[in-house]
Amino acid sequence: EAGVVQSPRYKIIEKKQPVAFWCNPISGHNTLYWYLQNLGQGPELLIRYENEEAVDDSQLPKDRFSAERLKGVDSTLKIQPAELGDSAVYLCASSPGGSRSYEQYFGPGTRLTVT
Amino acid sequence: AQSVTQLGSHVSVSEGALVLLRCNYSSSVPPYLFWYVQYPNQGLQLLLKYTSAATLVKGINGFEAEFKKSETSFHLTKPSAHMSDAAEYFCAVRNSGNTPLVFGKGTRLSVIA
Repeated sequence: EAGVVQSPRYKIIEKKQPVAFWCNPISGHNTLYWYLQNLGQGPELLIRYENEEAVDDSQLPKDRFSAERLKGVDSTLKIQPAELGDSAVYLCASSPGGSRSYEQYFGPGTRLTVT
Repeated sequence: AQSVTQLGSHVSVSEGALVLLRCNYSSSVPPYLFWYVQYPNQGLQLLLKYTSAATLVKGINGFEAEFKKSETSFHLTKPSAHMSDAAEYFCAVRNSGNTPLVFGKGTRLSVIA
């Protein structure tokens, strides 16, 4: 089966510009996660979706970050405006439901550089 | 609250030597524990998982880990390191159910020829 797809893989923008990242989860996976990974750190959860509903967005900086998962499949994460400190890797992951809900499959990530 | 501590941000071993990457966890309930590997410019790949079955868990690429409740540890081992094992390794914990993974800061493994 195809893995989690993310695009773009790399993005360089100037501060104060908007940016968007796209994720296509594994087919049939109802749960979708966005993680932030700073250099030399482990991933940290930004938001979790169950189908189209955001069930955990407590760590999402809502003043500049937004996310959506229309129709419960693809998802988009947006930053507007970007700040220098947003430079990081943004990872998307998906998870099957039921007895395997604890498994998460990660995409390759989008590396954002804000100059 | 759950947490994970990975001892050693960088571990270097010779090719063919034992690999030991340390992970200690904190959890108020029986945890699910995971090891992930991340190669440069790639996403995380699941190596192995502990989900309250056998305490010795075997994963891909010859890795295994042992859950020790008394020590709150879940160390990752491999008997003989290969050059292709050089990567970043992350230990993660979550409670049962649909709670978020909490990752450690990672350990970078270098393998010397």
